[in-house]
Amino acid sequence: GAVVSQHPSRVICKSGTSVKIECRSLDFQATTMFWYRQFPKKSLMLMATSNEGSKATYEQGVEKDKFLINHASLTLSTLTVTSAHPEDSSFYICSGGHGGGAYNEQFFGPGTRLTVL
Amino acid sequence: AQSVAQPEDQVNVAEGNPLTVKCTYSVSGNPYLFWYVQYPNRGLQFLLKYITGDNLVKGSYGFEAEFNKSQTSFHLKKPSALVSDSALYFCAVRATTSGTYKYIFGTGTRLKVLA
Repeated sequence: GAVVSQHPSRVICKSGTSVKIECRSLDFQATTMFWYRQFPKKSLMLMATSNEGSKATYEQGVEKDKFLINHASLTLSTLTVTSAHPEDSSFYICSGGHGGGAYNEQFFGPGTRLTVL
Repeated sequence: AQSVAQPEDQVNVAEGNPLTVKCTYSVSGNPYLFWYVQYPNRGLQFLLKYITGDNLVKGSYGFEAEFNKSQTSFHLKKPSALVSDSALYFCAVRATTSGTYKYIFGTGTRLKVLA
C-alpha cells in the first residue's frame, strides 16, 4: 500500500507556542488530505479536509484560525496548532488517497502525539 | 444524516474462535464502506473495502466483511482469531456533501483475543 509519513511523531510544547505537524505522501500524489484528531477514548474526529492549492474545509466546531492547514504541494500538507493550550493535547492523524479516486481507501500517517504543558 | 455505528465498545474472543465486529451505516446513495485497524500509538491501516459487486469482501490478514444492503450492515469477520488480531477496529463510510467527499468513522471497537 501507499505510504504516508508524519513528522514529528511526538512533540511537547509550552502553552502559548505554536506547533507544526507535517504530513507527506511518500509514493503517491494526494490532491486531498484529511486531518483527524483522536481522543483518549479512541474516537476519530475529522477536523478538516486539506485541498492542494486551495483553502482547507473545516468541520463544524473546528477553529480555522487555531488549526492552520496548508496544502502547498501534492505530497505535503501541514497542520499548525497556534497558541497551543493543554486542551489541544491529543493524537493527530492525517490521511491521503492516491489515484485521485474518491472510492479509493485512505492511507494514514502514523500520527503525532502532541502534549501541551 | 450520514453516519456509521459500531455498537460494541469491546469484543472479546478466544484464540481460534471466529470473530465478528459489527458495523451499521446510514448514507444517501450507494454506500462505499471501509474497515481499518489501529495498533497502539499507530495510524490506521486499511483492511478492506466494499465499493460494488460481490457482497463478501476479502481483505488483509484473513479478514472479510459482508455487505448487507437490507440490514445496512457491513460486519467484519474472521474465521479463526489470533492473539495478534487484538487491536482497535474502525468502520468508515465515504460521505458526499455539496460535491465534496469525506470519510465518516465509527467510534471504534476494541478487539481482544484471549490466548
